[in-house]
Amino acid sequence: EPEVTQTPSHQVTQMGQEVILRCVPISNHLYFYWYRQILGQKVEFLVSFYNNEISEKSEIFDDQFSVERPDGSNFTLKIRSTKLEDSAMYFCASSETGGGKPQHFGDGTRLSIL
Amino acid sequence: QKEVEQNSGPLSVPEGAIASLNCTYSDRGSQSFFWYRQYSGKSPELIMFIYSNGDKEDGRFTAQLNKASQYVSLLIRDSQPSDSATYLCAVPYSSASKIIFGSGTRLSIRP
Repeated sequence: EPEVTQTPSHQVTQMGQEVILRCVPISNHLYFYWYRQILGQKVEFLVSFYNNEISEKSEIFDDQFSVERPDGSNFTLKIRSTKLEDSAMYFCASSETGGGKPQHFGDGTRLSIL
Repeated sequence: QKEVEQNSGPLSVPEGAIASLNCTYSDRGSQSFFWYRQYSGKSPELIMFIYSNGDKEDGRFTAQLNKASQYVSLLIRDSQPSDSATYLCAVPYSSASKIIFGSGTRLSIRP
């Protein structure tokens, strides 16, 4: 069964450094998403992406965050200058279409900021 | 503020019994509803989704929707120890571009 793949599984970074999290969505899916989950808390929406542009973003997704689809398969999340509070699990998800269709999640990247 | 509420549990159910999980949502216009299962330290795994046109059964899982009361439920029949996990209720909002998750109900199946 096709799946969303994320790399790396664990990223440790010094505060203030840039980090890029990578995702390969399911191949025939058109909508891509990033979510995060701080330890012990809810899964929170960050951003959705369709047709090479952001379709929606949350208040968490500030100027320090950016997303990109650099080629036909990868979808990346960049955090420009990491803060301690960015430590979380980051999940990439994709769906065939929008309109409330199910979103399938990758295994996540655990980001630890020191 | 769109909200999805769940009882955090833990909900303890004997093996072989029916586990019943509930979720309420605030947006009366919501049309689809998802249940994800999340094992500790793992990602959410989609196990059921229903649309506003009716309930759905898939193997041991049944998802039910009560639109008038704005709640969705997940029933797990013949509970197994492997069903022990946190179950996340999730509702797409706005242009259905994002999902709002509940905080999850921790389910424990005791042998």
